[in-house]
Amino acid sequence: AQSVTQPDIHITVSEGASLELRCNYSYGATPYLFWYVQSPGQGLQLLLKYFSGDTLVQGIKGFEAEFKRSQSSFNLRKPSVHWSDAAEYFCAVGANFGNEKLTFGTGTRLTIIP
Amino acid sequence: GAVVSQHPSWVICKSGTSVKIECRSLDFQATTMFWYRQFPKQSLMLMATSNEGSKATYEQGVEKDKFLINHASLTLSTLTVTSAHPEDSSFYICSVLPPRGQGSTEAFFGQGTRLTVV
Repeated sequence: AQSVTQPDIHITVSEGASLELRCNYSYGATPYLFWYVQSPGQGLQLLLKYFSGDTLVQGIKGFEAEFKRSQSSFNLRKPSVHWSDAAEYFCAVGANFGNEKLTFGTGTRLTIIP
Repeated sequence: GAVVSQHPSWVICKSGTSVKIECRSLDFQATTMFWYRQFPKQSLMLMATSNEGSKATYEQGVEKDKFLINHASLTLSTLTVTSAHPEDSSFYICSVLPPRGQGSTEAFFGQGTRLTVV
């Protein structure tokens, strides 16, 4: 069975500082990996996804993530955070084609301080 | 613009009553929709896969008689929480997967429905 671990429940960073959110997955085959962002009381917005090819994936809002098969990781990064980046971030792994059925991590809440 | 419309955004109901939540695919016909549940400060848990024209597939531990799913058309799936109780209070989110061959492998999410049972 597939699983996703996000070790950090809550992260606080200063505006303008760099950010890295960790994600580790467990899956028996080639994983389809995703990062979603959720603002309070809202649905989920896809930031980026990895299916194959280049292991460094660029997403929206200046985010990127790197797939490292040897470490079973798919960490999300941003060089300089903005106050509007404060939200909940979910890493997810999908099975088969695309993301027919997603397994989510427990999420990381990001707080931005001035 | 929104690809998936979920309604209502929030609802408060009395214990013992039923609540219906709608999920509409606005941009494409969707043979498959997913229903997730999210408890406060927790992750999303898949409840069921809604298949147009057939019975929904429920995840282990989800009561199919309590959470009725109807996917009567290619653009609409409904989740009905029957005989709701306070422990059913949660955030329910639907997800829509475009048909294969449309060039997209991204699932689109509704804005969610906050259900509070009092």
